[in-house]
Amino acid sequence: DAKTTQPPSMDCAEGRAANLPCNHSTISGNEYVYWYRQIHSQGPQYIIHGLKNNETNEMASLIITEDRKSSTLILPHATLRDTAVYYCIVRVYSGGGADGLTFGKGTHLIIQP
Amino acid sequence: AAGVIQSPRHLIKEKRETATLKCYPIPRHDTVYWYQQGPGQDPQFLISFYEKMQSDKGSIPDRFSAQQFSDYHSELNMSSLELGDSALYFCASSLRTGGSGANVLTFGAGSRLTVL
Repeated sequence: DAKTTQPPSMDCAEGRAANLPCNHSTISGNEYVYWYRQIHSQGPQYIIHGLKNNETNEMASLIITEDRKSSTLILPHATLRDTAVYYCIVRVYSGGGADGLTFGKGTHLIIQP
Repeated sequence: AAGVIQSPRHLIKEKRETATLKCYPIPRHDTVYWYQQGPGQDPQFLISFYEKMQSDKGSIPDRFSAQQFSDYHSELNMSSLELGDSALYFCASSLRTGGSGANVLTFGAGSRLTVL
């Protein structure tokens, strides 16, 4: 799996958009970008994933650059409950998917009231 | 909607004792994963099972073993417990045939093991 780099921490004001960057410059053509988050001591939670097109769901939007070397997770209207560690994971879909995901050092997002 | 169920939620053991954690995946999910998260650490992948067969192995100690049963539930057995085994243990499940969604894991609430 390609290596990812994320800032260790970020602050965002409540109600504003939170933009979390992730660099994955060695990503290969068949690797997807997945985002998970972990609220303190809870199980990690899947947010969104994409290959090359921008994606949006009820939780967030994922913007992937044209060269696919970086991406941004956008939480459009951050709330205090969005305070969590956010993990960007690059992973190939091999048709199996039973291999464990590797959680690296994510971004601790703190939403300020 | 049904989620991943883990039991027990909390467990306290003495050093050198044995502990067993159980995981009940989301119905129709065929793959189970186990993760360990020590204090202040990121979740570390231990082992996964697909259709009751071990699929992938991470940093699981030799003192630990796991299996997946015919009803797809899984158990993580930990023997000769050490202080360093104190951690949150998460189970997750996924549907392997779900395309790129095969890497969409649903995690349980975790089991907190404390070794004294």
